[in-house]
Amino acid sequence: KQEVTQIPAALSVPEGENLVLNCSFTDSAIYNLQWFRQDPGKGLTSLLLIQSSQREQTSGRLNASLDKSSGRSTLYIAASQPGDSATYLCAAKNSGNTPLVFGKGTRLSVIA
Amino acid sequence: DAGVIQSPRHEVTEMGQEVTLRCKPISGHNSLFWYRQTMMRGLELLIYFNNNVPIDDSGMPEDRFSAKMPNASFSTLKIQPSEPRDSAVYFCASSLVQGGSETQYFGPGTRLLVL
Repeated sequence: KQEVTQIPAALSVPEGENLVLNCSFTDSAIYNLQWFRQDPGKGLTSLLLIQSSQREQTSGRLNASLDKSSGRSTLYIAASQPGDSATYLCAAKNSGNTPLVFGKGTRLSVIA
Repeated sequence: DAGVIQSPRHEVTEMGQEVTLRCKPISGHNSLFWYRQTMMRGLELLIYFNNNVPIDDSGMPEDRFSAKMPNASFSTLKIQPSEPRDSAVYFCASSLVQGGSETQYFGPGTRLLVL
């Protein structure tokens, strides 16, 4: 059974800092991995999706990497801004017909 | 595109009452998911449908919970009778399963409080 872990549960950084959020998964035979953002009181918004055949995906200041052999994914945020403050969740999918398995998220605070 | 629509956005009810949560997925999507989110347990999948057919309901906590998808544009999650431990935010999400690159789109959630 796939399990997804995100450490730390919370992170506080000063504005402008580059930062890395970590995600680990137990079953390396994943189909894809997704990163989501959740603002307080809101639903989840998909940020990046990495297929199992890919090593990374980029969108603006965000870069997500995938290392299946080590069971890890990272979300890199460059030049962090207060507007990046949110909870970031990663989720792994084991096959085309299975649902996503979510981590509990990392709550990020970017201090101005 | 209006996105995934959920109603109500907030629900406060008393223990023992029936609660019905509603979801309208994005038009054209063929998969629909119901999740529950709490501080203690995080985001948990309750049930998901492909082409209106329930595929996996192993996450449904117990018989008090039921979900239906009578057509491609509507789904309900019902709790009967409700209990205080059901208090949580319930999310509906939809996706178009197509070659493995599907992205799930989440609704804003229904915040349920059972007194």
